[in-house]
Amino acid sequence: DAKTTQPNSMESNEEEPVHLPCNHSTISGTDYIHWYRQLPSQGPEYVIHGLTSNVNNRMASLAIAEDRKSSTLILHRATLRDAAVYYCILRDAYSGAGSYQLTFGKGTKLSVIP
Amino acid sequence: DTAVSQTPKYLVTQMGNDKSIKCEQNLGHDTMYWYKQDSKKFLKIMFSYNNKELIINETVPNRFSPKSPDKAHLNLHINSLELGDSAVYFCASSQGLAASYYNEQFFGPGTRLTVL
Repeated sequence: DAKTTQPNSMESNEEEPVHLPCNHSTISGTDYIHWYRQLPSQGPEYVIHGLTSNVNNRMASLAIAEDRKSSTLILHRATLRDAAVYYCILRDAYSGAGSYQLTFGKGTKLSVIP
Repeated sequence: DTAVSQTPKYLVTQMGNDKSIKCEQNLGHDTMYWYKQDSKKFLKIMFSYNNKELIINETVPNRFSPKSPDKAHLNLHINSLELGDSAVYFCASSQGLAASYYNEQFFGPGTRLTVL
C-alpha cells in the first residue's frame, strides 16, 4: 500500500472545527482513502472513506485534493469524546490479499481542550 | 449489543505458558482478523480469515495459531508465551472479502496480554 504522512499530534478547542491533514503523494488511481480513529483504551473505529469526491457522514467530512495527493478529515465541532488517534490509511482495490488488512501508520493524536 | 467481543479483556500469565483469546462477532461478517498493538502503539495485522479459511498470515511466530470453528468466531492460541508477546490484541471483522478495500472493519475492545 502507498504510504501516508500525518502530523504526530494536534490540538483543538472544544466545539471548534478540526482539520486533520494526510499526505499521500504516491497514491495510485485505485487506492481508497480510509480514516479510522482509536479512542483511549478502545479498538479502532471506522470514521469515513472516499476515492475522489468529498464525502460526508454523521461523524465527519473527508475533503480530497483534486490530484488526490492529500486529504483532510474534518470534524465540524470537536468534542472531548473526539480526543483520539486518527489514522489515514490507503487501501488498494486491486492488490488482492494485500488489501484485506488495514495497514496502520503512527496516526495523529488529537487533543481536545475544554 | 456488542458487535465484536473478545475474552478475556485482561490476561496476565507467566513466560512459557499457553493461553487463548476468544473472539466472536454477531454482525454476520465472513472475514475476521487479528491485530497486535505493541507498547509503542503500532497496530499490525497478524492473521486474516475468510469463511473459516486462512488468507493472510503475516510474519508471526508459529507459536501463534488462529482457529476459526465457524464464521462468527476466530480464536487465537499462543504457545510458550514470551515477554515480547506482551501487547494488546484486537480482533476485527468485515463483510465482503472481494470488496475489502471498500468495506469498513469493526474492531473488538482488545485483550491486554501481560507476560511476566
